[in-house]
Amino acid sequence: GQQVMQIPQYQHVQEGEDFTTYCNSSTTLSNIQWYKQRPGGHPVFLIQLVKSGEVKKQKRLTFQFGEAKKNSSLHITATQTTDVGTYFCAGNSGNTPLVFGKGTRLSVIA
Amino acid sequence: NAGVTQTPKFRVLKTGQSMTLLCAQDMNHEYMYWYRQDPGMGLRLIHYSVGEGTTAKGEVPDGYNVSRLKKQNFLLGLESAAPSQTSVYFCASSYRLERVTQYFGPGTRLLVL
Repeated sequence: GQQVMQIPQYQHVQEGEDFTTYCNSSTTLSNIQWYKQRPGGHPVFLIQLVKSGEVKKQKRLTFQFGEAKKNSSLHITATQTTDVGTYFCAGNSGNTPLVFGKGTRLSVIA
Repeated sequence: NAGVTQTPKFRVLKTGQSMTLLCAQDMNHEYMYWYRQDPGMGLRLIHYSVGEGTTAKGEVPDGYNVSRLKKQNFLLGLESAAPSQTSVYFCASSYRLERVTQYFGPGTRLLVL
């Protein structure tokens, strides 16, 4: 079945440093979604990418979808303490449910 | 608009006991999902439903049953709880299967002793 791998599992950064998490699928995806889960909270949708090579920005967050639609990345510029949490990518194709990566837990040291 | 709600928020069970987790959504979504979240394992799909009266198995369905008698509700049952089912359970809903946001409930923390 479809697998979505995400690295790194953990990332500790100093406040102000940049952060990137990477997502790779075993199959071609029709879309990739990113979710954020704050400590003790539930996953919250951030963004969806559907086009090959697509790049979207949300303030300090930049999301990319690979040309082959099998990989994606989330980059945060100048991290802040409010960025703390676990970031999940999730994708699917055809008439199948979303498959989530295992997530990257981000810690920001002030 | 409450979105997706889950009851209970927290529960402690003894091995062999049964319980039902309730998920309700007020967004008129066709699709509903149950996930479990364990440390380092991400979100794993247990069962899902594509509409009232339907259910389908996800990645880790063993030991769980589900029912979708009403469109707005999705129940997850544990007939005989095991310590391996200690986890945080999240319910989610969406209006279709692909290319749409999933909305998650606040979660139920379950401890099986």
